Amino acid sequence: GAGVSQSPSNKVTEKGKDVELRCDPISGHTALYWYRQSLGQGLEFLIYFQGNSAPDKSGLPSDRFSAERTGGSVSTLTIQRTQQEDSAVYLCASSSLGRTAVQYFGPGTRLTVT
Amino acid sequence: AQKVTQAQTEISVVEKEDVTLDCVYETRDTTYYLFWYKQPPSGELVFLIRRNSFDEQNEISGRYSWNFQKSTSSFNFTITASQVVDSAVYFCALSEEVRSALTFGCGTRLQVQ
Repeated sequence: GAGVSQSPSNKVTEKGKDVELRCDPISGHTALYWYRQSLGQGLEFLIYFQGNSAPDKSGLPSDRFSAERTGGSVSTLTIQRTQQEDSAVYLCASSSLGRTAVQYFGPGTRLTVT
Repeated sequence: AQKVTQAQTEISVVEKEDVTLDCVYETRDTTYYLFWYKQPPSGELVFLIRRNSFDEQNEISGRYSWNFQKSTSSFNFTITASQVVDSAVYFCALSEEVRSALTFGCGTRLQVQ
């Protein structure tokens, strides 16, 4: 079956521009996570969606970052007024409801802010 | 607060050697879950194993084995008879409840020559 997909795979943007990153989770997975992987900070949690519950936004680094999940499936991570320190690989993961609840990751979007 | 420490930043071995990747964790919860993920040069994180805090049985899967010891808060990963295809960055991770966010260690880069 299809895994988690993310688009675009690479994004280069100028400082100050807004960007949108997309994640398509595994079909039927109710939980969706965004993480960021950068050289200086390693793998960091950003935000978590579970079904219709309010998202856990505790990992978002600033109010320039936001995310939404429409129809309980596709998610979009938006970064406004990008800064050079936002350059990183943005990873999306999804997991099913149940005891296993392993998070399966997508290939990531590499964001470069120039 | 939860924390995962992978003290080995980089390990280099010769093919067919055994290698152990260390992982030490901190948590205040009695119920938690430990994971190992592999990140090959292609970049995608690949799930390897998940253990819950109530199951301290060691696990073996082919050339891979995991040693979970609550007494030392460690969840070490051993690759037996390493192969070039094992070259990757390996991450240990912790979550404190099912489906919660993962806290990752910094990763150990394994180079098999």
